[in-house]
Amino acid sequence: ELKVEQNPLFLSMQEGKNYTIYCNYSTTSDRLYWYRQDPGKSLESLFVLLSNGAVKQEGRLMASLDTKARLSTLHITAAVHDLSATYFCAGRNYGGSQGNLIFGKGTKLSVKP
Amino acid sequence: EAQVTQNPRYLITVTGKKLTVTCSQNMNHEYMSWYRQDPGLGLRQIYYSMNVEVTDKGDVPEGYKVSRKEKRNFPLILESPSPNQTSLYFCASSPGGPATQYFGPGTRLTVL
Repeated sequence: ELKVEQNPLFLSMQEGKNYTIYCNYSTTSDRLYWYRQDPGKSLESLFVLLSNGAVKQEGRLMASLDTKARLSTLHITAAVHDLSATYFCAGRNYGGSQGNLIFGKGTKLSVKP
Repeated sequence: EAQVTQNPRYLITVTGKKLTVTCSQNMNHEYMSWYRQDPGLGLRQIYYSMNVEVTDKGDVPEGYKVSRKEKRNFPLILESPSPNQTSLYFCASSPGGPATQYFGPGTRLTVL
């Protein structure tokens, strides 16, 4: 069964710095998702990564997928306070039921001035 | 406005009293899903539906039921709630499979 592990779970950054959130998964997953949750709010979809080597970028966030290493990364460039949120990755069990998603525990990002 | 709505948003109830949390989407999405969010555990999928009349278990289906009689609605039923079902619940939908999901605002449930 697919297991998804994120690290770090907590991340405090200074504005203007770069950092990466890692999402490791245990077995084959044919796609990887990233979500954002602002404090006290619901979730929003950020990226869907469908194949090995996929890279998606929006603003200061860039996500990539390496299926051979079973690793996805979410890179933050020149962080700003507005990026403070909890970020989740999720994988879909390859060969399993198509709609079943397994989430990581989330990375709580705090960007300080 | 394209949206996913959930009702109620907040609910305090007692053990054993059946309840239903409604979820409705107006985007004609095929896929709908229920999640629960607990501190330290992240999100866990309860049930999902790939289309009308097609539902399947997620990771934590015990104690929950769902139905998908029409495309827009996907209610979550707790036949006999227990305190360990106290949680924040999210419904989500997407056009096909768990792709870009649109989440509802959440329902905070407390079972005493």
